[in-house]
Amino acid sequence: GDSVTQMEGPVTLSEEACLTINCTYTATGYPSLFWYVQYPGEGLQLLLKATKADDKGSNKGFEATYRKETTSFHLEKGSVQVSDSAVYFCALRVNTNAGKSTFGDGTTLTVKP
Amino acid sequence: NAGVTQTPKFRVLKTGQSMTLLCAQDMNHEYMYWYRQDPGMGLRLIHYSVGEGTTAKGEVPDGYNVSRLKKQNFLLGLESAAPSQTSVYFCASSSPGQTSYEQYFGPGTRLTVT
Repeated sequence: GDSVTQMEGPVTLSEEACLTINCTYTATGYPSLFWYVQYPGEGLQLLLKATKADDKGSNKGFEATYRKETTSFHLEKGSVQVSDSAVYFCALRVNTNAGKSTFGDGTTLTVKP
Repeated sequence: NAGVTQTPKFRVLKTGQSMTLLCAQDMNHEYMYWYRQDPGMGLRLIHYSVGEGTTAKGEVPDGYNVSRLKKQNFLLGLESAAPSQTSVYFCASSSPGQTSYEQYFGPGTRLTVT
């Protein structure tokens, strides 16, 4: 079946540090890939997405590139801010799956001033 | 445009009590989902629906029932609550008209069963 493996957390960084959260996947078909972010006390919201190999999704300074050869979709940001403190979820969806997504376990990021 | 809303936001139940969680979306989405979120376990799909009047089991359906009588609403029921159902419950929706089917989430319901 489909699965997503994320880098285990928690991750603690100082403001302006570089961030990488690793995500790898296995899928039965050709998936779309997503990063969702969950701020404290809120639901998940879409951060960025990529629908085909070599696509780069980007939003709010975050980027991730769909790497089919390594089945990866690592999340990166060059300079994190305190406001980026949240839980980040990698997810995939395969076309034939009634829109259902498979989520990773989430990685908690804390950014200290 | 409210997006996805959930009621209630918080609830405490005693073992054996029943309750219904309501999810509503105003985006005319066909697909709706119920997840539970537990520490260290990510999101697990309970039930989902691909349209009005249809429901299907997800990964962890036992102890829950659902109904989708109207396209905009998706109800999650607990007939006899157990402490193992203490969790945060999220509703989400998506549309087959989108190119990538990203999901839109509600703010969550925090349920404690004592």
